[in-house]
Amino acid sequence: KNEVEQSPQNLTAQEGEFITINCSYSVGISALHWLQQHPGGGIVSLFMLSSGKKKHGRLIATINIQEKHSSLHITASHPRDSAVYICAVRSINTDKLIFGTGTRLQVFP
Amino acid sequence: IAGITQAPTSQILAAGRRMTLRCTQDMRHNAMYWYRQDLGLGLRLIHYSNTAGTTGKGEVPDGYSVSRANTDDFPLTLASAVPSQTSVYFCASSTTQGTEAFFGQGTRLTVV
Repeated sequence: KNEVEQSPQNLTAQEGEFITINCSYSVGISALHWLQQHPGGGIVSLFMLSSGKKKHGRLIATINIQEKHSSLHITASHPRDSAVYICAVRSINTDKLIFGTGTRLQVFP
Repeated sequence: IAGITQAPTSQILAAGRRMTLRCTQDMRHNAMYWYRQDLGLGLRLIHYSNTAGTTGKGEVPDGYSVSRANTDDFPLTLASAVPSQTSVYFCASSTTQGTEAFFGQGTRLTVV
């Protein structure tokens, strides 16, 4: 079993829909990162959080430390949100990032 | 340079050849990392460096070596490339305290 599990693996949405991507982890962490990767492109950090909730524009990230779970929400989704979204946790033991396999999101007009 | 830069962006390499992937950052981050990204797998750590002059092995270090002569540069060398090293390679950096990670644009390497 992977230490970081994301769901769903693939997600298709119509423009305007509310999107939720989930991340569960099984290790102790000091922080959790949400990353975005566009096709053929680099990786961009969206959020780093260790508790509670963060918001940036139409993106909201939440984390529940007790349940070892995080969600990334996209409100009013747009085709430009189409990308792979990656959850990564920083292990409290090794101080290294452990990555999920990503969620591929496609938003159609 | 703004942020973290990798070169080349892509490369086709004959098996057995030596190749160095370059990574440079201008953020004065102490920690730097090399990852490989393969289909169906999360990014996997190859080697890392917590500060100039030190390096460490990650999850998949075999066939790769790194050096960290200064804060800005962290090259990754494949001494004798094999087809299984076909992958997309990402360099990243962060402060020693492990705050936000910054990634390069990636190097797509094909070993034939």
